[in-house]
Amino acid sequence: QKEVEQNSGPLSVPEGAIASLNCTYSDRGSQSFFWYRQYSGKSPELIMSIYSNGDKEDGRFTAQLNKASQYVSLLIRDSQPSDSATYLCAVNYRNYGGSQGNLIFGKGTKLSVKP
Amino acid sequence: DTGVSQDPRHKITKRGQNVTFRCDPISEHNRLYWYRQTLGQGPEFLTYFQNEAQLEKSRLLSDRFSAERPKGSFSTLEIQRTEQGDSAMYLCASSWTGSGTEAFFGQGTRLTVV
Repeated sequence: QKEVEQNSGPLSVPEGAIASLNCTYSDRGSQSFFWYRQYSGKSPELIMSIYSNGDKEDGRFTAQLNKASQYVSLLIRDSQPSDSATYLCAVNYRNYGGSQGNLIFGKGTKLSVKP
Repeated sequence: DTGVSQDPRHKITKRGQNVTFRCDPISEHNRLYWYRQTLGQGPEFLTYFQNEAQLEKSRLLSDRFSAERPKGSFSTLEIQRTEQGDSAMYLCASSWTGSGTEAFFGQGTRLTVV
């Protein structure tokens, strides 16, 4: 069973702090990892993708990948109230033949940034 | 490119009726996914296509659900004999299987079964 696990939260941080969101996945063959942001009543919006071990930075967002530990994280620096949303981790699994497989989501972590 | 488009945005139906949703993916994308999302949960995988081929279907999906992508472009998701438990947001996403396999979502179709 291919699974993506996230702490459901809520995670509450003060404005200006660093928010740290974590995700683990079950299949070592996974190749592609994504973070989506979802505001209440809206559809998910892609904010970060990461494909190799290490860090990837984009503005205030940093995605971190550790394939050996099967762990992905998202750091949000200088958190703003507008960052308050649910953050979804998604993993693109590989099929047994090595081709790109399904895209599986975690249940999401709700982030609240307090002014 | 206008992004992924879903129609209708909202659908209210009576229990037992059939409903059909449409998804138009980003034009150059060859992969199309359908998900269902209920309040407080992440998107739950239903099925996905690569071009016109349906590659995987969730075991959670009952026989009342069927999806098609006849020419590898738009897709339809039909739910027959709707039940109250089918009330959810139905999300469509598309991606390209080449490098940068990022999937983008449409705005979703919110189904309410009364």
